[in-house]
Amino acid sequence: GESVGLHLPTLSVQEGDNSIINCAYSNSASDYFIWYKQESGKGPQFIIDIRSNMDKRQGQRVTVLLNKTVKHLSLQIAATQPGDSAVYFCAENIKGGSYIPTFGRGTSLIVHP
Amino acid sequence: NAGVTQTPKFRVLKTGQSMTLLCAQDMNHEYMYWYRQDPGMGLRLIHYSVGEGTTAKGEVPDGYNVSRLKKQNFLLGLESAAPSQTSVYFCASSERGGRRDEQFFGPGTRLTVL
Repeated sequence: GESVGLHLPTLSVQEGDNSIINCAYSNSASDYFIWYKQESGKGPQFIIDIRSNMDKRQGQRVTVLLNKTVKHLSLQIAATQPGDSAVYFCAENIKGGSYIPTFGRGTSLIVHP
Repeated sequence: NAGVTQTPKFRVLKTGQSMTLLCAQDMNHEYMYWYRQDPGMGLRLIHYSVGEGTTAKGEVPDGYNVSRLKKQNFLLGLESAAPSQTSVYFCASSERGGRRDEQFFGPGTRLTVL
């Protein structure tokens, strides 16, 4: 039978470019969002979080934008480096709720030197 | 602190065999989770625990059982392994009501069922 979902969305960029990774979330009640980075052969690691009372949050070389109207998150990575090559997941949750986040499917970022 | 550790890192089973995956965390976290990750499928929650002695089903619980006898340990059992359970398994833990509700993940267990 046909296999579905075997290929992650992929973003290829050149070293030094800015990268934008998008995520659509499903639950309009979600009020807390996290981006994780998963390098090959490792578990996901926290990058940055944002609460629904904010539209933008900046970290070191990363910025997360939240558009609650269309239930959309984006992760912007400035001056992308080869070490940024990984799969990036967004997760949505309700702060103070069940602590059972819902993960997006992930986007594979490939950075070419 | 070691964070979240998983044992074993790799395992090959034959169909019908059983095994237990061990997850340990040293951060005194209340919540622990077991996920499976298949190519292109992201993370799917198998079972989780909100505290010592508690367990609950996640999105894909069939064929798995779990136990949380001690707060720091969360065991995932496969009673009769099937090829469909070939996957990478991740354990995670999180602090209840922390400033950041992030999950801390272990390094994963790669399981192949022949």
